[in-house]
Amino acid sequence: GDSVTQMEGPVTLSEEAFLTINCTYTATGYPSLFWYVQYPGEGLQLLLKATKADDKGSNKGFEATYRKETTSFHLEKGSVQVSDSAVYFCALSGAIIQGAQKLVFGQGTRLTINP
Amino acid sequence: DAMVIQNPRYQVTQFGKPVTLSCSQTLNHNVMYWYQQKSSQAPKLLFHYYDKDFNNEADTPDNFQSRRPNTSFCFLDIRSPGLGDAAMYLCATSTAGVVGEKLFFGSGTQLSVL
Repeated sequence: GDSVTQMEGPVTLSEEAFLTINCTYTATGYPSLFWYVQYPGEGLQLLLKATKADDKGSNKGFEATYRKETTSFHLEKGSVQVSDSAVYFCALSGAIIQGAQKLVFGQGTRLTINP
Repeated sequence: DAMVIQNPRYQVTQFGKPVTLSCSQTLNHNVMYWYQQKSSQAPKLLFHYYDKDFNNEADTPDNFQSRRPNTSFCFLDIRSPGLGDAAMYLCATSTAGVVGEKLFFGSGTQLSVL
């Protein structure tokens, strides 16, 4: 079945450092890819997405490019801030099943940014 | 402005005592989901509703049930909570039938079982 593998955390960086969180996937067909973020004490919210190969999703300075040849969707940010501290989930959606978008999540990467 | 609202934020129950978690939405979305998220793990889908049609995941224990009396509300019932059911429970919504659409999540209910 479909699966998502994320870089294991926790990850700790200093403010203004460069961030990469690796994500690779296994899926049949052409899934949509997502990064969701979970701030402390909150639910998940969509950070960015890409729905086809070579698409780049971007939001709040974060970027990720859908690479079909390497089955990857790595998250990057050029200069992180303390407010970026959160848990980041990579996810894919392969199909609509009985009306629902079935998301398959990676295990999450906890990111802590120190001032 | 809250769009998916879960109550309560924290719920404590006793081993074996039935508990109900609630979710409401103002988005008028067809689909509502319940996820279970244990500490440091990925969210795991328990079931979803497409309008009034209930769809259970194959590995969801019978102990977990759900009700959706109308478009706006959805409830998660745990008939006999065990210690292993302590987790964050997340409700989410989406429009139906479009791959790549985002899910809207509530803030979750943290369930403790004593």
